[in-house]
Amino acid sequence: QLVLTQSPSASASLGASVKLTCTLSSGHSSYAIAWHQQQPEKGPRYLMKLNSDGSHTKGDGIPDRFSGSSSGAERYLTISSLQSEDEADYYCQTWGSNWVFGGGTKLTVL
Amino acid sequence: EVQLVESGGGLIQPGGSLRLSCAASGFTVSTNYMSWVRQAPGKGLEWVSVIYSGGSTYYAESVKGRFTISRDNSKNTLYLQMNSLRVEDTAVYYCARESAFDIWGQGTMVTVSS
Repeated sequence: QLVLTQSPSASASLGASVKLTCTLSSGHSSYAIAWHQQQPEKGPRYLMKLNSDGSHTKGDGIPDRFSGSSSGAERYLTISSLQSEDEADYYCQTWGSNWVFGGGTKLTVL
Repeated sequence: EVQLVESGGGLIQPGGSLRLSCAASGFTVSTNYMSWVRQAPGKGLEWVSVIYSGGSTYYAESVKGRFTISRDNSKNTLYLQMNSLRVEDTAVYYCARESAFDIWGQGTMVTVSS
């Protein structure tokens, strides 16, 4: 069964970097995923599509501070030079026989 | 500009029906996979349904047999017909493009309550 696992919360200081993790279920380590950001009281925004080889395609207007990487069944979203507006929920998402979301990670910028 | 605009949400009693619309601009709905995604209050995102460019449709188990996804190519618009609505269908409904959901609408709120 295709499942994505995310930590419920993360925190980092203003100006620092943070790496969020999304883990694919067993047998699905070759799957691409997408990362989405949802700021408080707003709709989701597409950040990037991330392939198993670490290559990624970012959405229009997404700053260079956002990058993606992969290792095995793990997919990562790294945000550098954290800004206050980066405080948001971050969801990973994938697709196969159906579409699946991770539970989301709530990022707090200290 | 590439964008999606949803409409049609509102307050509806349990057992009722509602049709959501998602108007696209800047691209052609019929040549893309198009999905509906929902988010219950305070909860995460949940995929609801997809229509492939070839016309095949698929649904989450939670809505199968009650919801129908469709599109009108002449209007470049996606629809979600929701029947036999339940309290647990209360959510903001978003439409989104392609497998990676690279374009999202702003959402429309559906409240199912007596």
